[in-house]
Amino acid sequence: DGGITQSPKYLFRKEGQNVTLSCEQNLNHDAMYWYRQDPGQGLRLIYYSQIVNDFQKGDIAEGYSVSREKKESFPLTVTSAQKNPTAFYLCASTHLGGDQPQHFGDGTRLSIL
Amino acid sequence: EDQVTQSPEALRLQEGESSSLNCSYTVSGLRGLFWYRQDPGKGPEFLFTLYSAGEEKEKERLKATLTKKESFLHITAPKPEDSATYLCAVQAGYQAGTALIFGKGTTLSVSS
Repeated sequence: DGGITQSPKYLFRKEGQNVTLSCEQNLNHDAMYWYRQDPGQGLRLIYYSQIVNDFQKGDIAEGYSVSREKKESFPLTVTSAQKNPTAFYLCASTHLGGDQPQHFGDGTRLSIL
Repeated sequence: EDQVTQSPEALRLQEGESSSLNCSYTVSGLRGLFWYRQDPGKGPEFLFTLYSAGEEKEKERLKATLTKKESFLHITAPKPEDSATYLCAVQAGYQAGTALIFGKGTTLSVSS
């Protein structure tokens, strides 16, 4: 079945540690996105990419990094510079053109040890 | 500044009690308005896209409508399985593929 796979489902980070969240899609979508969701807040954009080897910062990019070496993959690294990383992280993808809806994975919940 | 506001924050209904959720928006150049359903611990599930004022979309007990300033998600005769958080998002600007701007959501609880 086509879809977006995020892993792991739960992740724990120690102080000073970088962690990487995986996002893979087999929908042949062009664009991919990372959002952060906190209780009582809407989804906020971290990074997005419309084409391989290119990406743009969103509203809250500080303390995060991404790469887009393959069309189907868009990993997110939460660095030690992100002082409040505890949140639910959601990856989405869509076709460009025609204003197609974004489809989401089932998220990764990151907590601090 | 582009903005999306959803109301109410939470809504409790009895099974069969119809109601509406509101999504008001201010954006420069609306490309589309999207409704999603999100269950606890899951990613948002796409429901509808609306592109222009006057447009309506229906799916089972849900009906979405759009005006120039707001959208409504009408829920007719809801069932307990309709309990979820409903998210509204807009895509704005003049370039395809720009990120969505989300409201904070309305959490719906339907009791039998």
